[in-house]
Amino acid sequence: DGGITQSPKYLFRKEGQNVTLSCEQNLNHDAMYWYRQDPGQGLRLIYYSQIVNDFQKGDIAEGYSVSREKKESFPLTVTSAQKNPTAFYLCASNIDRGSTEAFFGQGTRLTVV
Amino acid sequence: AQKITQTQPGMFVQEKEAVTLDCTYDTSDPSYGLFWYKQPSSGEMIFLIYQGSYDQQNATEGRYSLNFQKARKSANLVISASQLGDSAMYFCAMRENYGQNFVFGPGTRLSVLP
Repeated sequence: DGGITQSPKYLFRKEGQNVTLSCEQNLNHDAMYWYRQDPGQGLRLIYYSQIVNDFQKGDIAEGYSVSREKKESFPLTVTSAQKNPTAFYLCASNIDRGSTEAFFGQGTRLTVV
Repeated sequence: AQKITQTQPGMFVQEKEAVTLDCTYDTSDPSYGLFWYKQPSSGEMIFLIYQGSYDQQNATEGRYSLNFQKARKSANLVISASQLGDSAMYFCAMRENYGQNFVFGPGTRLSVLP
């Protein structure tokens, strides 16, 4: 079945550590996105990529980094520079035409301990 | 700049009744798409319905319909015959036709009462 997979589902990070969230899709989609969601709030864009080896910062990119070495994969690293990383992280992909919806993964819940 | 407004933080509806969730948007692009997503407590985002800015008719998908009023920049979601499983967060989103990302509103939490 085609879809988008995020792992792990739950992640715990100690203060000062970098952690990487995985996002893989087999939908052959060109565009991929990372969103952050805080409790009771909407989604805010961290980074997005429209093509392999290219990505752009979203509204809240500080303290995060990404790579897009393969079409199927768009990992997100939460660095120690991100002062408040506890949140729910959602990865999405899209065929990159205006009329098509974004498909989402199941999300990763990151908690700083 | 894009902006999505959802003015209802929370809504209650009786089971089997209809409910309207409000969404207004702001864009200067004449070509755009509007989307509604449902997010149950499990956290997954479920796509519900799409409306294109040039579509002449309101979109419908089963019990979901979109009341699109272009001049008012309004794209309200109507859920008919509410079910207990409809209890969730609902997000309105927009993407300009040649834009690069989806912009989401703050969401509305819908609670369906038995």
